[in-house]
Amino acid sequence: TQLLEQSPQFLSIQEGENLTVYCNSSSVFSSLQWYRQEPGEGPVLLVTVVTGGEVKKLKRLTFQFGDARKDSSLHITAAQPGDTGLYLCAGVDFGNEKLTFGTGTRLTIIP
Amino acid sequence: EAQVTQNPRYLITVTGKKLTVTCSQNMNHEYMSWYRQDPGLGLRQIYYSMNVEVTDKGDVPEGYKVSRKEKRNFPLILESPSPNQTSLYFCASSLGTRRDSPLHFGNGTRLTVT
Repeated sequence: TQLLEQSPQFLSIQEGENLTVYCNSSSVFSSLQWYRQEPGEGPVLLVTVVTGGEVKKLKRLTFQFGDARKDSSLHITAAQPGDTGLYLCAGVDFGNEKLTFGTGTRLTIIP
Repeated sequence: EAQVTQNPRYLITVTGKKLTVTCSQNMNHEYMSWYRQDPGLGLRQIYYSMNVEVTDKGDVPEGYKVSRKEKRNFPLILESPSPNQTSLYFCASSLGTRRDSPLHFGNGTRLTVT
């Protein structure tokens, strides 16, 4: 069974700071998605990365797919209170094409 | 507005009393799925459906049933709920049936079984 570990599990920082969260696995992914979930709502897709080494930017958010396609990171620059939420990665296993979600990073930005 | 609608949002019930959580999408999506979300365990797939009349088990199907009689609806049925089914449930849909197709989620149903 593919395991997707996200770290840190919880992160609380001041507005304006930078942060990075990680998504790691021993399996190779054919693609990886990042979602953000706000309280009382379902997850919303932020980005999909498909190529090893790929970097995608979404305003202040930078997503990177590892060269070996086993890991990914999300970097937020100058965090704002609106970035608060649960960040979930979800990978499609290269072998069985199964989509598995990570356990999430709960991010709180303090104004 | 394109959306996935789940009902009810909150449900408290007792052990053994059958219940149904409804899910409807208005995007003409082929693929629909149910997940449960538990602290420390992330989102785990219960059942999914690639098309009308086609359903398959996910990772945690025990104690659940689904049906896909129409493209837009995908109800989740708990025939005899137990306390270990207390959880936050999400319905999701996607246009394509590829595993990397973006998922659109409903706003969740918080179920408590006493």
